Amino acid sequence: EVQLVQSGGDLVQPGGSLRLSCAASGFSFSSYWMTWVRQTPGKGPEWVAHINQDGSATRYVASVSGRFTVSRDNARNSLFLQMNTLRAEDTAVYYCVKYLGRAFASWGQGSLVTVSS
Amino acid sequence: DILVTQTPPSLSVTPGQPASISCKSTQSLLETDGKTYLSWYRQKAGQPPQLLIYEVSNRFSGVPDRFSGSESGTDFTLKISRVEAEDVGIYYCMQGKQVPWTFGQGTKVEIK
Repeated sequence: EVQLVQSGGDLVQPGGSLRLSCAASGFSFSSYWMTWVRQTPGKGPEWVAHINQDGSATRYVASVSGRFTVSRDNARNSLFLQMNTLRAEDTAVYYCVKYLGRAFASWGQGSLVTVSS
Repeated sequence: DILVTQTPPSLSVTPGQPASISCKSTQSLLETDGKTYLSWYRQKAGQPPQLLIYEVSNRFSGVPDRFSGSESGTDFTLKISRVEAEDVGIYYCMQGKQVPWTFGQGTKVEIK
């Protein structure tokens, strides 16, 4: 069974930094592209970033490009999202997600990130 | 960016009756590999979205066969043949043709 267990959500001040982690199990982690998706309460999901199998290719939504960095550690079956220069509009629940082709097949439980002073 | 527009915003359905949700893309979602990257999700309250359909019409593992997907050009449809109480939630379509992947605005399905 695929499991994605997330950690790292918190309350952070504007301009601050936070790192989200996602521990994967139940599948061959190093064989899959992985992605981060966020969702503000009452709104639809928003794709944030993704990373290829060996970490050599990443892409970001324009609103986080240059501030967020997605990375992975295949030896530890882990996915990360480093978030810097956080803004109020980054407040959301962040999900770690495993791809099936270009669909979001398996989701973590979500990590709440609140950016507020 | 490719925009996907969902209709209707909400739907109230009698159990056992069919339901249909539409999604229209501003561009073709047909990729050079021959696949069309449109997927459907259902989100229940307090849970992450769950994949129902990928590549227009392929049901994900464990999804009942009362769910089906179809396309006509840039118009896509999710159909529920006989709605059940457990089908309540917000349904989203998503395009995976071009980064950034983008979601529709959602359709809230309620049971009468």
